[in-house]
Amino acid sequence: EAQVTQNPRYLITVTGKKLTVTCSQNMNHEYMSWYRQDPGLGLRQIYYSMNVEVTDKGDVPEGYKVSRKEKRNFPLILESPSPNQTSLYFCASSIGRSSGANVLTFGAGSRLTVL
Amino acid sequence: GENVEQHPSTLSVQEGDSAVIKCTYSDSASNYFPWYKQELGKGPQLIIDIRSNVGEKKDQRIAVTLNKTAKHFSLHITETQPEDSAVYFCAASKNKLSFGAGTTVTVRA
Repeated sequence: EAQVTQNPRYLITVTGKKLTVTCSQNMNHEYMSWYRQDPGLGLRQIYYSMNVEVTDKGDVPEGYKVSRKEKRNFPLILESPSPNQTSLYFCASSIGRSSGANVLTFGAGSRLTVL
Repeated sequence: GENVEQHPSTLSVQEGDSAVIKCTYSDSASNYFPWYKQELGKGPQLIIDIRSNVGEKKDQRIAVTLNKTAKHFSLHITETQPEDSAVYFCAASKNKLSFGAGTTVTVRA
């Protein structure tokens, strides 16, 4: 089944404890992206990648890192999580090299709570 | 960058009635307007999209209209059913998607 898989789905952590949210897609998509969803703010883009080893900042990149060493994987790294990073996170991918006019396939989401 | 505003933020309708969600966008260069539906506990999923060379598009009970002059577009759901209850996001794009804040639709039985 074509899908985007995120792990973990739920995580409670404490301020400053580094964590990684993994994302993997099995559709050979070029483009991958991370979004965070907060009430009243919709989906805001954190980082995106148009190809292996090519990443760029989205609208809210502060406090996050990403890497794209392989086409299928795009992990989101929080080096020193803070409470304002408590959110619902989505990884998404698309066949084209941008989110411009391409259909995004989203993962099921990772709910992160930082105490 | 592009700014997308979406209204209303919540919408409650009786089963069988219609639901309408409206969005406005700021960048006249935007040419792609998708709508995503997010069911509880799941990621958003594309339900319909429209490009700027088209004024209206229908797919069974859902339709989208686009007014390029006024820079607004709308989602219409007719004969609503309980499974239409979800969060709906509009988005606008030239090279990068910008999403609205979302509308939580509740269909009352």
